[in-house]
This record gives sequence, C-alpha cells and structure tokens, in this order.
Amino acid sequence: DSGVTQTPKHLITATGQRVTLRCSPRSGDLSVYWYQQSLDQGLQFLIQYYNGEERAKGNILERFSAQQFPDLHSELNLSSLELGDSALYFCASSVGESGTQYFGPGTRLTVL
Amino acid sequence: AQSVSQHNHHVILSEAASLELGCNYSYGGTVNLFWYVQYPGQHLQLLLKYFSGDPLVKGIKGFEAEFIKSKFSFNLRKPSVQWSDTAEYFCAVRGDKLIFGTGTRLQVFP
Repeated sequence: DSGVTQTPKHLITATGQRVTLRCSPRSGDLSVYWYQQSLDQGLQFLIQYYNGEERAKGNILERFSAQQFPDLHSELNLSSLELGDSALYFCASSVGESGTQYFGPGTRLTVL
Repeated sequence: AQSVSQHNHHVILSEAASLELGCNYSYGGTVNLFWYVQYPGQHLQLLLKYFSGDPLVKGIKGFEAEFIKSKFSFNLRKPSVQWSDTAEYFCAVRGDKLIFGTGTRLQVFP
C-alpha cells in the first residue's frame, strides 16, 4: 500500500458523459500527478499539480481537466467521453515538485 | 528531446533463470532513473531508483540495476527469478520531466 488512494476503483459510463476521478496523496506529499494507461498508448503522463498549482502538462486532452484542492486532494475531470478514453487512470504523489512518485491503485474507466 | 526505450517487450523465463531487462534513454543533462513494477491487476510500485552516487543500485525483492552513463543505460537485473516476479516492468527517466518506457512483460514459469 503506497498511501495514495483513488476513488472509484471502477467506473462504467457512456459516450458523451462526464466523470470525475478523485485522488488523495500520501500524507505530507504536495505534488499530485495523473497518468493514463491504455494497451495501445502505454503509460502517459497527463498533468501535475504542486501545492494547488499546475506545474506540468503532458498529453492531456482539452476535454480533460484537473485541479488540486487546499487539502491537497486532486480531481481529474473527463468530459465528452469517447470509447478511446477507456483506460486505467493512475494518480501518483511525491513530496516535492520532482521527488520519487508513489502510485495509487488506479481507476478503471470503461466507456461504452 | 527526452526519451526512454525498453527493448524487450515480452520476456519468458523459467524459475531460477537470470534476468536482465534493458532500458536506454536520451537526454543531455542530469537524470534520475527508476524501475517500477506492476503486478497483474495492481498499481505501479517502485522497485529501485538512482539519483547519484554508486551506479549499482539495489532494490527490493533481490532486484538491482546499473547506471552506465556512457551507454545511457539503466538495465534491471535479478540473478534468479521466481514465479512471483511475473509482472510488467517499467523503466522511467526524469530529465526535465518524468517519462516512462513502454514496459516489459515478464512471464516466469515454474
């Protein structure tokens, strides 16, 4: 158990819908990262927040957005969902802006 | 541009065989290097990391990796694999950002 928690574990929804994935970092960690893992794309970095501010952006679609709240938990919002958005979404956290990342158990999103 | 490549996509071994998984990167500056493991149905776990110092790094579960700067490599090794090592292994490199390789799927048969 890494100390990073993610909810929900599984999410099944339809195309065109919007979902919110939640992540709580390890105690004391200020950075939160979001990743998408799919069979064809592998593990792709989406976005990083540090202490409430966006720090880095990766291959994140415009339909996706994220934020980090004052209590340091983070939410990833996925809208206008497409079949291709079906994937595992991982959250990771680290102490500083560039420390070792510890991963959560992931949310498996299925878009039907 | 920063990149990382894992040459072995799928490795099949018998128990007690030795393992070496390749990882090469390209980046012009100082890097931090990581190996993560993902057991079936589970999340990524850190196996080992290299920031500086001794280029031979020992991790959990008997794994080690050697950073060879001249070859831009950080290969993962284990002298004797077990069935429980069946998993996917990801090399990751942080230069100006953290990038993961495509992963190597290891299957160990008893």
